[in-house]
Amino acid sequence: AQKITQTQPGMFVQEKEAVTLDCTYDTSDQSYGLFWYKQPSSGEMIFLIYQGSYDEQNATEGRYSLNFQKARKSANLVISASQLGDSAMYFCAMRELDFMSNTGNQFYFGTGTSLTVIP
Amino acid sequence: ETGVTQSPTHLIKTRGQQVTLRCSSQSGHNTVSWYQQALGQGPQFIFQYYREEENGRGNFPPRFSGLQFPNYSSELNVNALELDDSALYLCASSLYPQGNRNYGYTFGSGTRLTVV
Repeated sequence: AQKITQTQPGMFVQEKEAVTLDCTYDTSDQSYGLFWYKQPSSGEMIFLIYQGSYDEQNATEGRYSLNFQKARKSANLVISASQLGDSAMYFCAMRELDFMSNTGNQFYFGTGTSLTVIP
Repeated sequence: ETGVTQSPTHLIKTRGQQVTLRCSSQSGHNTVSWYQQALGQGPQFIFQYYREEENGRGNFPPRFSGLQFPNYSSELNVNALELDDSALYLCASSLYPQGNRNYGYTFGSGTRLTVV
């Protein structure tokens, strides 16, 4: 079963405006981590932000914030003050956390959202 | 500290051939994972190596195999290439047990494999 759903194949935002990228997830585990990665055309996955399932506060990293709604199983990424360099693919990912072992630990990625920042 | 380095960056192979992709992990990392990212899709987990052994595998056939070396670098080998193997192959390294909150996974820029 698909664990991460990103329903927005493409998004456009005006430079300096804020944009929200949607992500919903599915898991029966109690302990998991939610991640957002940026993938420019070069291919590298660049880590943006992390939210642990037990974290009560929404995560923030500079212009990035994660709107975590555990009951709704959503983890939306908010980018404030968009810049032209923000144009890229954005992936939401989940990793079920097992602190006792790293066996079989893997990221489950969504299909991504292509963000284009318009000057 | 150096990041994750993958080689080659691009590769074209013929159906039925074999290919080896290489990954140098970030300094201080001891675990390497490989992902396949088909065009327009998110990355899919292939397998993970820790202490030179495979310790997790996704839904990929046995013709996908790997190695991890004492210096923690890794290889991904694919035999009997098929057209559907055309994809970006990403390597990610990490340190187990992880210490920081985002668990410190560092991805490389990938190898773009085209099978013709």
